[in-house]
Amino acid sequence: GQSLEQPSEVTAVEGAIVQINCTYQTSGFYGLSWYQQHDGGAPTFLSYNGLDGLEETGRFSSFLSRSDSYGYLLLQELQMKDSASYFCALMDSSYKLIFGSGTRLLVRP
Amino acid sequence: GAVVSQHPSRVICKSGTSVKIECRSLDFQATTMFWYRQFPKQSLMLMATSNEGSKATYEQGVEKDKFLINHASLTLSTLTVTSAHPEDSSFYICSARDPIKGEHYEQYFGPGTRLTVT
Repeated sequence: GQSLEQPSEVTAVEGAIVQINCTYQTSGFYGLSWYQQHDGGAPTFLSYNGLDGLEETGRFSSFLSRSDSYGYLLLQELQMKDSASYFCALMDSSYKLIFGSGTRLLVRP
Repeated sequence: GAVVSQHPSRVICKSGTSVKIECRSLDFQATTMFWYRQFPKQSLMLMATSNEGSKATYEQGVEKDKFLINHASLTLSTLTVTSAHPEDSSFYICSARDPIKGEHYEQYFGPGTRLTVT
């Protein structure tokens, strides 16, 4: 089967940079996605890595290393509104998403 | 674009009754929709893949007779929780891809339905 692990909680200061790691075990996948979810809300898409390397989208960047079974989401210039849960998710060939355990990010002033 | 809605947003039902949750793609046609369940402070667990015009594909451990999925049109999938029990209380979320305009890797999620079984 597939499994993904993330730190359960991360705290950072407004304006800082934070990295959320994701390690996974899988027999095969298309890519690694990242989603943000505020309490009680729907997950929203942040970033996707189909290939190894860094993808940058505004304040968010995501990285994937297939050889290390590892990825991360980098959030820069943190804002209070970034306080939310962040999930990595493996996507397979049928576009199914298998989500990681999730990381709660708390941004402090 | 790429908006997915769910109805109802919240529902409370008595143990033993059935509840139907609707998932609609408002501005695109979705041949495939996905249903997830999320318990408080936990991750999203994929329950099933809903395919338009054919039977749903359920993940291991999900009871197909308890969670009935129907995908009757390209814009509507329904999840019916039959004979609901308190342990079925959860946040149910659907998602869909826009196969024409969207990126292949991006899924659009509905706002979720919070089910409470008393």
